[in-house]
Amino acid sequence: QQQVKQSPQSLIVQKGGISIINCAYENTAFDYFPWYQQFPGKGPALLIAIRPDVSEKKEGRFTISFNKSAKQFSLHIMDSQPGDSATYFCAASTWAGNMLTFGGGTRLMVKP
Amino acid sequence: DTEVTQTPKHLVMGMTNKKSLKCEQHMGHRAMYWYKQKAKKPPELMFVYSYEKLSINESVPSRFSPECPNSSLLNLHLHALQPEDSALYLCASSDRLGKLFFGSGTQLSVL
Repeated sequence: QQQVKQSPQSLIVQKGGISIINCAYENTAFDYFPWYQQFPGKGPALLIAIRPDVSEKKEGRFTISFNKSAKQFSLHIMDSQPGDSATYFCAASTWAGNMLTFGGGTRLMVKP
Repeated sequence: DTEVTQTPKHLVMGMTNKKSLKCEQHMGHRAMYWYKQKAKKPPELMFVYSYEKLSINESVPSRFSPECPNSSLLNLHLHALQPEDSALYLCASSDRLGKLFFGSGTQLSVL
């Protein structure tokens, strides 16, 4: 059972545009929602994370929006750059378990 | 030092070989993990060590044998692997806030 569903699977955005990736979860016990960025040949790197006590978190060009009632969260990349081209994974966990459930991933390509 | 270091970066082995993957972190993290990642898929959890003790084994076949010699080191011993075991093997550690730090992985090919 896939507990975190991520969409779209792939995304092409023009340089300077906004990239939006969405995730939906089922387990209401999840209370930690990170996003990871992975470049080819590298391990995933933590990009930004949110806990359900806030509806939005912004770090530079990256923003997480969180909707607890809809059990959805999304990553917005403002002013997308070619260097942002990578695979993005959303994830979720319960603090007690510290084990992440990953979404299926989104391959983002930012065209110059 | 905020790195998780994995060696080797690439490994090719036959189905009868025995090899080991190594992972090291000096961030003082007491939880360490092995993940397996197939191409275009998310990482899949294999093992979790907490305070140097195996706490989670996600029904991984016995041809994969983890070892945690001390709080900074994590090994994955490989024996009699199958071609379908070819994947990127990722080591990770987590801090007390639950943030997961991944290494760059070992790209394993089983012939």
